Amino acid sequence: DAMVIQNPRYQVTQFGKPVTLSCSQTLNHNVMYWYQQKSSQAPKLLFHYYDKDFNNEADTPDNFQSRRPNTSFCFLDIRSPGLGDAAMYLCATSRTGRVETQYFGPGTRLLVL
Amino acid sequence: AQKVTQAQTEISVVEKEDVTLDCVYETRDTTYYLFWYKQPPSGELVFLIRRNSFDEQNEISGRYSWNFQKSTSSFNFTITASQVVDSAVYFCALGVYGGATNKLIFGTGTLLAVQP
Repeated sequence: DAMVIQNPRYQVTQFGKPVTLSCSQTLNHNVMYWYQQKSSQAPKLLFHYYDKDFNNEADTPDNFQSRRPNTSFCFLDIRSPGLGDAAMYLCATSRTGRVETQYFGPGTRLLVL
Repeated sequence: AQKVTQAQTEISVVEKEDVTLDCVYETRDTTYYLFWYKQPPSGELVFLIRRNSFDEQNEISGRYSWNFQKSTSSFNFTITASQVVDSAVYFCALGVYGGATNKLIFGTGTLLAVQP
């Protein structure tokens, strides 16, 4: 089945220690998104890639970076995680077009100690 | 301004009851899309439905039905004969087009608890 895969499902890191979350997709979608979701809140878009074109949301902290080496993979790098970065991180993909459906992966729950 | 309001923070029902989740949206666009997603305790956002602004027909899929009314800017979701497996957070979202890509503006979600 075509899908969006996120690894790991749970990640524990230490305050200030860089961490990378990964996302892969078999849907062959052009667009990939990263969302941050804190407890009892709606998902918040951090950035997205349209092919290799990176689009950052205006309020995304510089601490968050992303890489997309090819169509299938996208990474979220948190350079110096703080306690406030503990959250669920969701990856999504969509085709290019006028408001195509976004399909989400299972998420990675990040804990910062 | 573009905004989605889900006024119901939490709803608790007993199994087999019908339940309606409300969604009210704001947009000045004439063409827009509305979505519902389900987020079970596992965390994954599961796509349920996508509806464009030109299609006001109600939709039914099994026990799920959606009522779209442009006159009141609402896109409500009804679960008939609820089951424990329906327990989840449900998000309504407005899709906005920003050039080559699109963005979702989510409501704050409604936590549905179905008691056995």
